[in-house]
Amino acid sequence: RKEVEQDPGPFNVPEGATVVFNCTYSNSASQSFFWYRQDCRKEPKLLMSVYSSGNEDGRFTAQLNRASQYISLLIRDSKLSDSATYLCVVNIPTSGTYKYIFGTGTRLKVLA
Amino acid sequence: GAVVSQHPSRVICKSGTSVKIECRSLDFQATTMFWYRQFPKQSLMLMATSNEGSKATYEQGVEKDKFLINHASLTLSTLTVTSAHPEDSSFYICSALVSYEQYFGPGTRLTVT
Repeated sequence: RKEVEQDPGPFNVPEGATVVFNCTYSNSASQSFFWYRQDCRKEPKLLMSVYSSGNEDGRFTAQLNRASQYISLLIRDSKLSDSATYLCVVNIPTSGTYKYIFGTGTRLKVLA
Repeated sequence: GAVVSQHPSRVICKSGTSVKIECRSLDFQATTMFWYRQFPKQSLMLMATSNEGSKATYEQGVEKDKFLINHASLTLSTLTVTSAHPEDSSFYICSALVSYEQYFGPGTRLTVT
């Protein structure tokens, strides 16, 4: 089983739609969780950090379910500019330090 | 958020030559930086963790003698791809750690001919 798994998509949704991405992780000792956005041929940009059960920032809501070991990202009222790949990142303790494991990303296409 | 720069943004080199990539934290000090590689349509793969003043920690399968990392100051880490080959062509991205959050440089696209 992969340490961090995401549905690669693509998710094709119309403008204004609500879309949810899920990400599962295998290491129950994982401490911190993040959602990044990556545009084609660009670097990832931090979208949200998820430290407790979840948090909200405008149209974006992230939720963490430790019991089931998954994180979700909900995008409301999708905009064309939301089209990108969304990366789930999990911080895993290892050998006295931490390692960040990236999921393969979920592609989102918002259609006019 | 914190700003990380990377230089060069794009480089084309001949097989057998070495290429140095610089990663700088512009408005903060970074004790820890990471180096990643990303092949087309794949996710980021961690190559090594760079800690200021100490040796880098390399991931399994990454040759430390081929990918030399130096983190001599709190604002600069360098990655040198030695004796580059066409299979080293990739997108190399660095990130700097601020608390538990990573901030990425814009990446360096390396093409080895």
